Amino acid sequence: EAGVAQSPRYKIIEKRQSVAFWCNPISGHATLYWYQQILGQGPKLLIQFQNNGVVDDSQLPKDRFSAERLKGVDSTLKIQPAKLEDSAVYLCASSLGRGWGVGYTFGSGTRLTVV
Amino acid sequence: KQEVTQIPAALSVPEGENLVLNCSFTDSAIYNLQWFRQDPGKGLTSLLLIQSSQREQTSGRLNASLDKSSGRSTLYIAASQPGDSATYLCAVPYNTDKLIFGTGTRLQVFP
Repeated sequence: EAGVAQSPRYKIIEKRQSVAFWCNPISGHATLYWYQQILGQGPKLLIQFQNNGVVDDSQLPKDRFSAERLKGVDSTLKIQPAKLEDSAVYLCASSLGRGWGVGYTFGSGTRLTVV
Repeated sequence: KQEVTQIPAALSVPEGENLVLNCSFTDSAIYNLQWFRQDPGKGLTSLLLIQSSQREQTSGRLNASLDKSSGRSTLYIAASQPGDSATYLCAVPYNTDKLIFGTGTRLQVFP
């Protein structure tokens, strides 16, 4: 089966600019996650979708970050305006559903550098 | 609040050595623990998933153990190879299906 697709792979922007990342999960996976991984740290959850509804966005900096999952398939994560501390790898993951031990599949990530 | 830590942060060894990577968690009420591998510029690949009722899981040269009472898991890599060079992350679930990750161990195996 095809994996989780993310684009772009790399992005360099200046602070205060806006940027958007795209994720296409595995077909049929109802649950989609966006994680932020700062260099030298483990990934941290930003937002979780179940189909096209938000399950958890408690860690999303809503003053500058937004995400949507229209039609319960593809998802877009946006940052506006970007700050230097947003430099990180943004990972998208999907799973069949919710529950303990449900396997995740991660995409390759988008590496964002804010200068 | 659950916290996950990994030691060492980095490890460099010659090919052929047996390795132990450590993962500690503060809340022992976990349902499972996963070990992931992350190659530079790549996403995460799941290596092993240990359920709370299990004490060990094996896959090829990899063996992961889980001791809930002491809040520890170890990943044992036998006969290491240069292709094993990567960052290894452990993670535990919270609130049903979200993951808390450790900071990772960056492994380099040189020929």
